[in-house]
Amino acid sequence: GQQLNQSPQSMFIQEGEDVSMNCTSSSIFNTWLWYKQDPGEGPVLLIALYKAGELTSNGRLTAQFGITRKDSFLNISASIPSDVGIYFCAGLPGANNLFFGTGTRLTVIP
Amino acid sequence: ETGVTQSPTHLIKTRGQQVTLRCSSQSGHNTVSWYQQALGQGPQFIFQYYREEENGRGNFPPRFSGLQFPNYSSELNVNALELDDSALYLCASSTAGLAGLFYEQYFGPGTRLTVT
Repeated sequence: GQQLNQSPQSMFIQEGEDVSMNCTSSSIFNTWLWYKQDPGEGPVLLIALYKAGELTSNGRLTAQFGITRKDSFLNISASIPSDVGIYFCAGLPGANNLFFGTGTRLTVIP
Repeated sequence: ETGVTQSPTHLIKTRGQQVTLRCSSQSGHNTVSWYQQALGQGPQFIFQYYREEENGRGNFPPRFSGLQFPNYSSELNVNALELDDSALYLCASSTAGLAGLFYEQYFGPGTRLTVT
């Protein structure tokens, strides 16, 4: 099946810093989604991207759909303690099932 | 608008037993997908139900089966439980667009299954 690799695997940052993480695939996707998951809970949808090159913001979050349709990145500006969690990218290849990345664990130090 | 709900929250079963997990989709959504998330990994797609029929399946054996009901709620059944089935089971609901593609999927809180 499709492999989605996320980097970095984990990040430790100071409160107020900006964060950047990305996701690459060996296959083309028609839709990219970014989720945040807190321990013991389900993933929460942050941003959805539908077109190559699309740049979308949701508050302090900005995500882009790569031109090659094989990658996407997520930026978080001015991080705050509640940004702590695991961030997953997920791709829809045009079918019905989401393929999830390996996750980026974010720790924000106050 | 109510979100996706799942029951039970936690479950402990013995190897060889059978289990049924339940999911109620978000209001207005007609499609339910099930995922298995092992500790430290991303969710893995099990299958999806649309209009009460299976609409795509991941790489899971037939002992994983499901149902969707007319109110769009769904069940995941797992027979002959194995130790490796221990995981967080997530249900996600969505709605088909005009092109028939299933866009944003909204997840429930999950059911934590432990097989001993």
